[in-house]
Amino acid sequence: DADVTQTPRNRITKTGKRIMLECSQTKGHDRMYWYRQDPGLGLRLIYYSFDVKDINKGEISDGYSVSRQAQAKFSLSLESAIPNQTALYFCATSDFTAQETQYFGPGTRLLVL
Amino acid sequence: GENVEQHPSTLSVQEGDSAVIKCTYSDSASNYFPWYKQELGKRPQLIIDIRSNVGEKKDQRIAVTLNKTAKHFSLHITETQPEDSAVYFCAASQGYGNKLVFGAGTILRVKS
Repeated sequence: DADVTQTPRNRITKTGKRIMLECSQTKGHDRMYWYRQDPGLGLRLIYYSFDVKDINKGEISDGYSVSRQAQAKFSLSLESAIPNQTALYFCATSDFTAQETQYFGPGTRLLVL
Repeated sequence: GENVEQHPSTLSVQEGDSAVIKCTYSDSASNYFPWYKQELGKRPQLIIDIRSNVGEKKDQRIAVTLNKTAKHFSLHITETQPEDSAVYFCAASQGYGNKLVFGAGTILRVKS
């Protein structure tokens, strides 16, 4: 779905480095999410935002922070990356309607050495 | 909080056979249950969903059933095809904007 984009798509970094993953959407949705995917663990919610002034922790927020710069932009930061943060990261959006569908971005594959 | 368990973790079927993936949830307040499909190297995409006021929903070869009493729901794929090979995720939420809690996923392989 080209309406949700993520940058970068792949990133290799070193332990202790700060890194930012960015998500943009043109769907006009008010709700945005960051998930992490690890084999055998499914999609785990890191942070979510229901509007520009609303930020909420998910189930695995430790070691991460987020910024909702605008309705269309939601960034995820790793302040000091560690190897167990190596994973596939997905951004998703949804609208407050009865449909409830979440639309995912293409993912960012992060490797922390 | 909500906990969603998904079984099996891997499933291999012969082309043309049926496949069933089952999920259980813990929070009786959950009322929205979507299923997402993730093809290799791609993003998850919604394939079907069901709300707690409905017991079954079908869309061509796929169907979802819900048992509120037992707190479990299942995805049924009939006449499987090689393009059904993917990872399938179930999820649960209290609906209307509440966050989704995903199961761990099922790798489905359809052998031709």
